[in-house]
Amino acid sequence: DTAVSQTPKYLVTQMGNDKSIKCEQNLGHDTMYWYKQDSKKFLKIMFSYNNKELIINETVPNRFSPKSPDKAHLNLHINSLELGDSAVYFCASSPVRGVAGELFFGEGSRLTVL
Amino acid sequence: DAKTTQPTSMDCAEGRAANLPCNHSTISGNEYVYWYRQIHSQGPQYIIHGLKNNETNEMASLIITEDRKSSTLILPHATLRDTAVYYCIVKTSYDKVIFGPGTSLSVIP
Repeated sequence: DTAVSQTPKYLVTQMGNDKSIKCEQNLGHDTMYWYKQDSKKFLKIMFSYNNKELIINETVPNRFSPKSPDKAHLNLHINSLELGDSAVYFCASSPVRGVAGELFFGEGSRLTVL
Repeated sequence: DAKTTQPTSMDCAEGRAANLPCNHSTISGNEYVYWYRQIHSQGPQYIIHGLKNNETNEMASLIITEDRKSSTLILPHATLRDTAVYYCIVKTSYDKVIFGPGTSLSVIP
């Protein structure tokens, strides 16, 4: 069983469209994250949710809206897609916040905006 | 701001030990040293972490200097599948994980 799974793995769309990426973890973790890796390969944190509550919101445009229906799911919705949104988006989860431990990452969702 | 500095790239012969250094001279007492790696655009993979003592697991060993200002990740017998970007991260248990540019390790046959 995949611990952190993301769908879709690949997404090609036109500028101006709205799209969503879904993430699910079956590890029983309380905290989930979205990271963005652009063409320069830098991994940047976007959001973090702890038990469905937003705890980290980096300087991300309002067009990006995370939603956590329960602590096992963290979805990312992007409105009015722009060329610069093309990147690989990684979902991750970690155990109880405040406990030293590792992040578990999904395989990534490659978004291409044309 | 980056809390760690790592070499941009390194080579290692297959079967030899790969020693990846990391400087973290401003580390504070409650910050851990973590290592992750990313193999060719896959999701980053946790390797190991430590606070003060050296640590070893099935993947690697982590050697932290006594003053904690630097550390070395050791892959004892590097294989071609260990070719990846290796990230050294310093953080408290509450901090978010911030990735720097890392070290691109190439294992050469």
